[in-house]
Amino acid sequence: DIQMTQSPASLSASLGETVTIECLASEDIYSNLAWYQQKPGKSPQLLIYDASSLQDGVPSRFSGSESGTQYSLEINSLQSEDAVTYFCQQHHDYPFTFGSGTKLEIK
Amino acid sequence: QVTLKESGPGMLQPSKTLSLTCSFSGFSLSTSGMVVSWIRQPSGKSLEWLAAIDWDGDKYYNPSLKSRLTVSKDTSNTQVFLKITSVDIADTATYYCARSTHPYYWGQGVMVTVSS
Repeated sequence: DIQMTQSPASLSASLGETVTIECLASEDIYSNLAWYQQKPGKSPQLLIYDASSLQDGVPSRFSGSESGTQYSLEINSLQSEDAVTYFCQQHHDYPFTFGSGTKLEIK
Repeated sequence: QVTLKESGPGMLQPSKTLSLTCSFSGFSLSTSGMVVSWIRQPSGKSLEWLAAIDWDGDKYYNPSLKSRLTVSKDTSNTQVFLKITSVDIADTATYYCARSTHPYYWGQGVMVTVSS
């Protein structure tokens, strides 16, 4: 199985700041990575697909990038509604594994 | 408009078989490249991918649970099913089905509690 190591597990930042969440794949996943946002009691919502493509309707303050097997989600100009949980998922090879999640809080 | 909706028993006893249904609209599983997955999430925990079935009827399972899982689809290609045998308390979770072909869509999830 491909392991997705997501960090940090939790993150606290102020409104307007920029934060970065990372996922390290245990092997090459060829940009087959998605980032999801999950609000409490709701299903995950797609933010980024193919590592860096912004899903339609998602604010442009969200962006994705990659460097080797390290994938990053950056959130600029942090807003209060961004204080939820984020997951990465690789869909290069079965089983389609997830990162362990990052809970973002506002200071 | 793509929608997916999961349904299940809500609660069942340990050792029983859990049967889940994913009913979807807005796409057909007969379309080349289409894949539907099952994922679960215990309360407060991360997501665990369970199984998938593709447009050609090929099935994929999480190796850690493979012996207990069966994924299938109906002949109209608008429903996908998941069976989990010999459930125990650790199978208590919200179960989601999702279209795993871009653009990705998820259902709202169905809570399943395993309890005696």
